[in-house]
Amino acid sequence: AQRVTQPEKLLSVFKGAPVELKCNYSYSGSPELFWYVQYSRQRLQLLLRHISRESIKGFTADLNKGETSFHLKKPFAQEEDSAMYYCALKTGANNLFFGTGTRLTVIP
Amino acid sequence: GAGVSQSPSNKVTEKGKDVELRCDPISGHTALYWYRQRLGQGLEFLIYFQGNSAPDKSGLPSDRFSAERTGESVSTLTIQRTQQEDSAVYLCASSLWPEFNSPLHFGNGTRLTVT
Repeated sequence: AQRVTQPEKLLSVFKGAPVELKCNYSYSGSPELFWYVQYSRQRLQLLLRHISRESIKGFTADLNKGETSFHLKKPFAQEEDSAMYYCALKTGANNLFFGTGTRLTVIP
Repeated sequence: GAGVSQSPSNKVTEKGKDVELRCDPISGHTALYWYRQRLGQGLEFLIYFQGNSAPDKSGLPSDRFSAERTGESVSTLTIQRTQQEDSAVYLCASSLWPEFNSPLHFGNGTRLTVT
């Protein structure tokens, strides 16, 4: 069965510091992974997807199949990055499973 | 354009009563998902509709939960004989082409409180 693990429920960093939100997955098939973000009083929305190999708002995430990880990174955190972040795994049946989320707080 | 719309936004019900939650997806979106988010918890998958295929109901927690979708339009999630542990935010999302990694568009959710 598929599983997405986000070990940190809360993460606080100072503005300008690097940030890494951890995500590990378990899936027998070929994984497709995503990061979704929910800013205060906004809807949950897509941040980035591994297949696009893109950088959005300074965030990047690399799929590491050997470590079954898809950690989200940003070299210099900004106050507006404070939000709830969810890692998600898409299965071959096109279903999408989410982790429990990490609340990031960037301290000014 | 209009996003995913969910109604009601808040629902308070007494234990044992039935509730029906509604989701209006974005027009043309073939896929529709329901998730549950309990206080302080992550998103828990409930059910997934994709076009005319049989829905994936593997996430429904008990037979008190059911969901319907007419074609590629409105979906309703029904909870019978509600229990206090059903209290949560119920989120609906729709997607254009999940097989091509089209993103999920989420509604604002329905906050259900069972007293």
